[in-house]
Formats: sequence, C-alpha cells, structure tokens
Amino acid sequence: EAGVAQSPRYKIIEKRQSVAFWCNPISGHATLYWYQQILGQGPKLLIQFQNNGVVDDSQLPKDRFSAERLKGVDSTLKIQPAKLEDSAVYLCASSPTFGGEKLFFGSGTQLSVL
Amino acid sequence: AQTVTQSQPEMSVQEAETVTLSCTYDTSESDYYLFWYKQPPSRQMILVIRQEAYKQQNATENRFSVNFQKAAKSFSLKISDSQLGDAAMYFCAYWGNNNDMRFGAGTRLTVKP
Repeated sequence: EAGVAQSPRYKIIEKRQSVAFWCNPISGHATLYWYQQILGQGPKLLIQFQNNGVVDDSQLPKDRFSAERLKGVDSTLKIQPAKLEDSAVYLCASSPTFGGEKLFFGSGTQLSVL
Repeated sequence: AQTVTQSQPEMSVQEAETVTLSCTYDTSESDYYLFWYKQPPSRQMILVIRQEAYKQQNATENRFSVNFQKAAKSFSLKISDSQLGDAAMYFCAYWGNNNDMRFGAGTRLTVKP
C-alpha cells in the first residue's frame, strides 16, 4: 500500500512570495489533515478535510493560508504572501475514517522563508 | 483545551540500556487515546505505541512499553535494549473528542554506541 505522498520535499522562497504544497493521501482515506511543525515544536493542526469538505480550519491563518481538497482526494495548501514565521515543516496526514485516531503521515515539505 | 507537555527536550541512552521518556497531559475528557510517535530525520511521523484511556493495562510493542497513570495524567514511554536506530525525536500525542491530534514539543533521543 502506497503511503501519503507530499511534494516538494524542500522549498526556499523569499518573504512576500507565494508557495504551494501538494498532498496525495492513501487511496480511499476519507479524512485529510495539514499540520504545521515549527522547529523545536510539535505539529499543530492547520486544517482538516472530510472528503472534499472542511471540518475544522479554526487554526488556519486565513488572511494568507488557503487549502483545498480536489474531488476529495489530493489536497493543496497555499501561502500567499509568505512571512518569515511561516518557516516550518508542513505535514500531511490521512485517516481511513472520520473521527478515527489512526493517522498516516507523509514526510512533509520543509519551507524556508528568507 | 487539551495540552500535552514533554518536560525533557533531550535524553541520551547507552546502546542496549533502558530509557524512559516522560509525558503529561491535561484534559477533562474521560475517553481518549494517547500515542507516542517517532520522527527520524526523514520527518515522517511513525507510530510507536497507542494507549486507549479506558484500558487499564499498559500497552506494549516489543521493546516499547508505556506507563499510563490516568489519575495523574501521565504517559511515559520506556524503551528497553536501546538500539542505534531508536535515535530520533519522540512526540507524545493526545486524541480526544475534537478529532484532532495534539502533540507535545518532543524529546530528542540520542543513543550512544
């Protein structure tokens, strides 16, 4: 079974530029999560999807971050414009059921904002 | 809100020895799950062990075991016969009614040969 795929693996941009991250969850997984992991901290939830609908985006900085889940499968997380404090690893995770606690994580995208 | 605290930023252990990583959490819920995840340099979160709060028996997975003290809200991880491959960041995590995995700040484990 293929795991959660994320790309790119690394991204370096200058502040005020835009960037997008892509996630392909495990086939058939209904729930998808995006987490932000700042250096020295644990991951923090940004947004949760159930199929193609948003379940929780209360911690997503909506003035600069946006996310969508196309046809309930792939997902894209965008930052526009980026700030220095957005430097972090962005992890995607998926779960086979809504409300299920078994999460499968991708290897993340490491973003550096200069 | 549920919070998870890992008070040990770094720990080290000699190969083949035993080490215990500490975790405490705060919640008013009675039903929840607790986890230990390993994060190697590849950055992928790997599930080490999982504990259901309603189960009194401590979970074990080969060399990994937990000491779950529900009343004290404590959930420590014991790694026996430590191996070089155990070196990584370890995160304690909580899953409750919010359907959201809450993580601690992590403990960096070094294994000395």
